[in-house]
Parts: sequence; C-alpha cells; structure tokens
Amino acid sequence: GENVEQHPSTLSVQEGDSAVIKCTYSDSASNYFPWYKQELGKGPQLIIDIRSNVGEKKDQRIAVTLNKTAKHFSLHITETQPEDSAVYFCAAPKPTDSSYKLIFGSGTRLLVRP
Amino acid sequence: AAGVIQSPRHLIKEKRETATLKCYPIPRHDTVYWYQQGPGQDPQFLISFYEKMQSDKGSIPDRFSAQQFSDYHSELNMSSLELGDSALYFCASSLEGGGQEYEKLFFGSGTQLSVL
Repeated sequence: GENVEQHPSTLSVQEGDSAVIKCTYSDSASNYFPWYKQELGKGPQLIIDIRSNVGEKKDQRIAVTLNKTAKHFSLHITETQPEDSAVYFCAAPKPTDSSYKLIFGSGTRLLVRP
Repeated sequence: AAGVIQSPRHLIKEKRETATLKCYPIPRHDTVYWYQQGPGQDPQFLISFYEKMQSDKGSIPDRFSAQQFSDYHSELNMSSLELGDSALYFCASSLEGGGQEYEKLFFGSGTQLSVL
C-alpha cells in the first residue's frame, strides 16, 4: 500500500526567505499529490495539488514540483510571511477497486520569524 | 462558498460514555471521509462513504460505527469511550462523480473530543 514520508518535521525561516518541504511516496501508480495547510484549531485546507502528467505547478508564492522517477514531490513557498506559519501535510492517494482515500505524511511545522 | 460543517465543535465525555459526531458535506458532494488526528499527528483515515454506502474502512475501532444518510450528511458514533479516543475528528467530502475532482478532499473544522 501507499506510504508517504515527509521531512523536515519542523522548519524555521526568516520572513521573506523561501521554505521547501519534501515528500516521498511508495506506490508508483499514485497520480495525484495534494498539499494541505493546517492552522491551529482548524481543519486541513487544500492549498495546491499536482497530477502526475506535469512536473511543476505554481500559484502565486507557492509551487509544487514532482519527480515521478524518484517518487518524490516538494512544496516551495517563496517570500514567506508570518501568516504562512502552520503545519503542512503532503498526501498521496491510496485507491482500491472500489474506493479512494488520501494517505498523509507526518506533517511539517513551519515557523516564519518576523 | 459553502464548506464542510461539523458539529459539535468541542465535546467532553467521560470514559465508557458514548458520543455522536455529525458532518454535513459540501452541497452536491456525495462522498464523506472520517479522519482521526491525535496531538502532533497526521490525520488517520477511519472510514468513508459513497452514495450512502460504506466504501472503505481504515483503522476504525469496532466500538465506532458510522453511516451516511439520504441527505448525504454523516454521523460517527463512538461507544465505550476510552481515554485514547481523545483527538480531533475531521470529516472531509468530495464529489465522486465529478471526474478528476473526486480526488480533492475538503475538510471541516473538526470536532475536538476530550475523554476524561
């Protein structure tokens, strides 16, 4: 089954710097890779996703890159701001014949220092 | 835009009591997922429903049960509560019949369950 590993577990950056979070997955059949942001006391919020037919996707200050050969994908946040501080989770799907669900990485706590 | 609604927001119970958590998916969404998140942990899949039928089952204890109703809302019933059941419980919904959009899960704000 799918196994998703995420690192680092914590990341502290200065405001304005870039932050990079990396994930690896095990199932070569996986074809959809979302990233979720979770703020304290809130549910995970989908911030960006990528499908296996592209190598990179950008949305303003955030981008996701995918290397299918190496089975890893990364979240890039540029020009970080204090409001980017949160826990970020990567995920990969675990589809079966009759269902679909997401398997999450262990999370990265990002702290952006003003 | 309407989001996933969960109730209650907080719930305090004692050991061996029962609890019922409710989830109202985004309108038109036909699939509901339940996840459990312990402190500092990633969300763990419990169970999912598609068109009111259970579609998958994860690490859900036998003491827990869930169902999806005709209006697509879902309830997670938890009995004989244990201290270890204290966690955040999230519901997520998606649109299975929406082409590739079924892969996008939208989460509610969760129910914080505390078992004393």
